[in-house]
Amino acid sequence: DIQMTQSPPSLSASVGDRVTISCRASQGINNYVAWFQQKVGKAPQSLIYAASSLQSGVPSRFSGSGSGTNFTLTINSLQPEDFATYYCQQYKYYPRTFGGGTKVDI
Amino acid sequence: QVYLEESGGGVVQPGKSLRLSCAASGFLFSSTVMHWVRQAPGKGLEWVATISFDGSDLYYADSVQGRFTVSRDTSKSTVYLQMNSLRGEDTATYFCTKDRANTDWGQGTRVAVSS
Repeated sequence: DIQMTQSPPSLSASVGDRVTISCRASQGINNYVAWFQQKVGKAPQSLIYAASSLQSGVPSRFSGSGSGTNFTLTINSLQPEDFATYYCQQYKYYPRTFGGGTKVDI
Repeated sequence: QVYLEESGGGVVQPGKSLRLSCAASGFLFSSTVMHWVRQAPGKGLEWVATISFDGSDLYYADSVQGRFTVSRDTSKSTVYLQMNSLRGEDTATYFCTKDRANTDWGQGTRVAVSS
């Protein structure tokens, strides 16, 4: 199984900060990575697919990068509504696997 | 607009069965792979099962293999998750999602396995 190691598990940031979340795959998965945002009590929402493609309707302050085994989600100019937990997922192989999540506190 | 609505959750005793449904609209259901993902209380996301667009390919997490069955009814634009021999560790909110990259999610349905 592909392990998705996400870091850090949590972080504290201020409005306007640039935030970077990392996800490392245990083996190469090309660019088959998606990123999700989940707010408390809500369903996850897709932010990024194919490692760097922005989902329709997602603010441009969100961006993704990486290929192979190392992937990054960046939030430029953090906004109060960005307080949430973020997950990566690989979708190249079965079983599909998620990272452990990163909780962002504002 | 894409809409996914899960239903069928509830409280069930260990060893019993439950069937979840996910009604889909706003996209071409017959051409779309569908998934079930669950989240135990206070925990992260766990992929559960996938069904290909035509139902010919099924994939399951090891934790549910042999107990859960995913299926779909194109005439009703609905995907199902039949859950048998339920265990306490199956307690979670179950979400259905669409597309290879899980681009859209339902609001989830809660399943609690307890005696």
